[in-house]
Amino acid sequence: NAGVTQTPKFQVLKTGQSMTLQCAQDMNHEYMSWYRQDPGMGLRLIHYSVGAGITDQGEVPNGYNVSRSTTEDFPLRLLSAAPSQTSVYFCASRRTSGGRDTQYFGPGTRLTVL
Amino acid sequence: SQQGEEDPQALSIQEGENATMNCSYKTSINNLQWYRQNSGRGLVHLILIRSNEREKHSGRLRVTLDTSKKSSSLLITASRAADTASYFCATDDSGGYQKVTFGTGTKLQVIP
Repeated sequence: NAGVTQTPKFQVLKTGQSMTLQCAQDMNHEYMSWYRQDPGMGLRLIHYSVGAGITDQGEVPNGYNVSRSTTEDFPLRLLSAAPSQTSVYFCASRRTSGGRDTQYFGPGTRLTVL
Repeated sequence: SQQGEEDPQALSIQEGENATMNCSYKTSINNLQWYRQNSGRGLVHLILIRSNEREKHSGRLRVTLDTSKKSSSLLITASRAADTASYFCATDDSGGYQKVTFGTGTKLQVIP
């Protein structure tokens, strides 16, 4: 299993540009989430999904859209990038079956908005 | 806002010593999780403790949960240089299973 994969690893955008961060998991997990981590801080939840076709907002959803058309993929779209969105973005999927509740994280995408 | 607050923010110990990190949270929870993050990397899930559990062990890790005080502690025994990392607690609040809220983390340095 590849686990949770994220692309790209690094990205530089100009203010106002849009882009999509890709996230995929091959573990057949229903639950997936997007977080952002700013320097010296913990992770903050942007959006999450409890299954294909179902998404909901987290703590900091403004400026981001998500969709979940398949179990495997959960892309995060930045609509109009702003410098305040400079951060490291982590995607995660969560196993809740078999008596083991475990969240698996991707390696992250480091985004800089100029 | 951050649900969990870790204490201390930074901790430096000698290899072989025990490391204790504490986490406090604000609202009712379903469970509490601890994660490790090596510099510049993704988070690794260490252990999950449910709200009806008081203590849990996994290898050199021991986690306690006191729901009356809304606090948890992570003990790493016989620390190794490879344990150097940031450690975060995270909670699933009782209102939303997937609404995981992370604390600000404890940066642990283990000196060989």
